[in-house]
Amino acid sequence: EVQLVESGGSLVQPGGSLRLSCTASGLIVSSDYMSWVRQAPGKGLEWVSVIYSGGRTYYADSVKGRFTISRHNSKNTVYLQMNSLTPEDTAIYYCARTLDRGGFDYWGQGTLVTVSS
Amino acid sequence: SYVLTQPPSVSVAPGETARITCGGSKFGTKIVHWYQQKPGQAPVLVVYDDSDRPSGIPERFSGSNSGNTATLTISRVEAGDEADYYCQVWDSSSDPYVVFGGGTKLTVL
Repeated sequence: EVQLVESGGSLVQPGGSLRLSCTASGLIVSSDYMSWVRQAPGKGLEWVSVIYSGGRTYYADSVKGRFTISRHNSKNTVYLQMNSLTPEDTAIYYCARTLDRGGFDYWGQGTLVTVSS
Repeated sequence: SYVLTQPPSVSVAPGETARITCGGSKFGTKIVHWYQQKPGQAPVLVVYDDSDRPSGIPERFSGSNSGNTATLTISRVEAGDEADYYCQVWDSSSDPYVVFGGGTKLTVL
């Protein structure tokens, strides 16, 4: 059974940083494409970033230059380092396995990031 | 930027068929995926690659993609189908570009 467990969300001040983690079981993060998708309160879904099995990384324009996706293969964990946070980054952040043609078939339960002073 | 347009809401009676549309340009060149999200829960993939169903998703859920419109069809709607539904495309012709539709609230009357 595949399980994705996110952690690391919290309340942070504008301009601050946070690192989210997504620990997987039942799949190998280094063999799959893994993405982060976020959802602001009461809003729709927004893709944030992906890391390919080969290690290439890509970002939505809204986070490019501020967020960094990475993984630790032996911990089977994907990370999202978030810097220069703004209130617009407030959201539930989900990690999700990404299929070859871009569907997200397994999702974690999400972790809440709140950016506020 | 690429935009996917969904109706904000769709209402159907139990046992009827719900059709949720997703409009975008050049859809014929893109692959569409659909998600169901119930309050307080993570999204669930219900249709991928335009018309395939993940294991565990009832056959009542089906998808199609033609011209500039993709459609999620839910046959014999049940009360438990009430949720938000999102379409999504992934364009990897250059750097990957992922877009979600704005979501459709399905209400079962």
